[in-house]
Amino acid sequence: QQQVKQSPQSLIVQKGGISIINCAYENTAFDYFPWYQQFPGKGPALLIAIRPDVSEKKEGRFTISFNKSAKQFSLHIMDSQPGDSATYFCAASKRKSQGNLIFGKGTKLSVKP
Amino acid sequence: DGGITQSPKYLFRKEGQNVTLSCEQNLNHDAMYWYRQDPGQGLRLIYYSQIVNDFQKGDIAEGYSVSREKKESFPLTVTSAQKNPTAFYLCASSPPGGDLNYGYTFGSGTRLTVV
Repeated sequence: QQQVKQSPQSLIVQKGGISIINCAYENTAFDYFPWYQQFPGKGPALLIAIRPDVSEKKEGRFTISFNKSAKQFSLHIMDSQPGDSATYFCAASKRKSQGNLIFGKGTKLSVKP
Repeated sequence: DGGITQSPKYLFRKEGQNVTLSCEQNLNHDAMYWYRQDPGQGLRLIYYSQIVNDFQKGDIAEGYSVSREKKESFPLTVTSAQKNPTAFYLCASSPPGGDLNYGYTFGSGTRLTVV
């Protein structure tokens, strides 16, 4: 019940295309869903996060879509750029109990020029 | 600049040797974490601490030890009992939950290699 399943493991997209990464969770008590971006040799950095009371959150070219009934959430990167090439991690936790973040296994995104 | 400092960036360990990875934060965060990252495995939690002088085991604590004597510091010792220690180690911290932007702040990592 603590797992967060992320797919695909790797993704190749042409410059200007849409990158889509999907995550699914089991624990209905989770109420915080962040996405992290990690460049090689660096630590992950918070990219965008969403609560389950909204179905979508957009920040620039990055959008989180959230489907509470299906227990799924996804990251869409519009107009993907070579600089977006990185590993992306979804995560989930219970905020109020300061529960630990449970991370997906990551998606390595390569954006080809 | 507030942040998390991990040192060293690269570390080489001989068989049977204990090594300690440093993690210092100046964000005034209460909680600190250690993760291990292996290719294709994502981030696996080793230990975490919600408060000074208290810490709990994560999913893969065997062969590791930690201390939390100061709020700013959370060092990780990789002991000789850890049979496969070669990995990228990440330290993180977080403020109390409840805020949408409370997400973890990560350090730049330490790459440990057994020689």
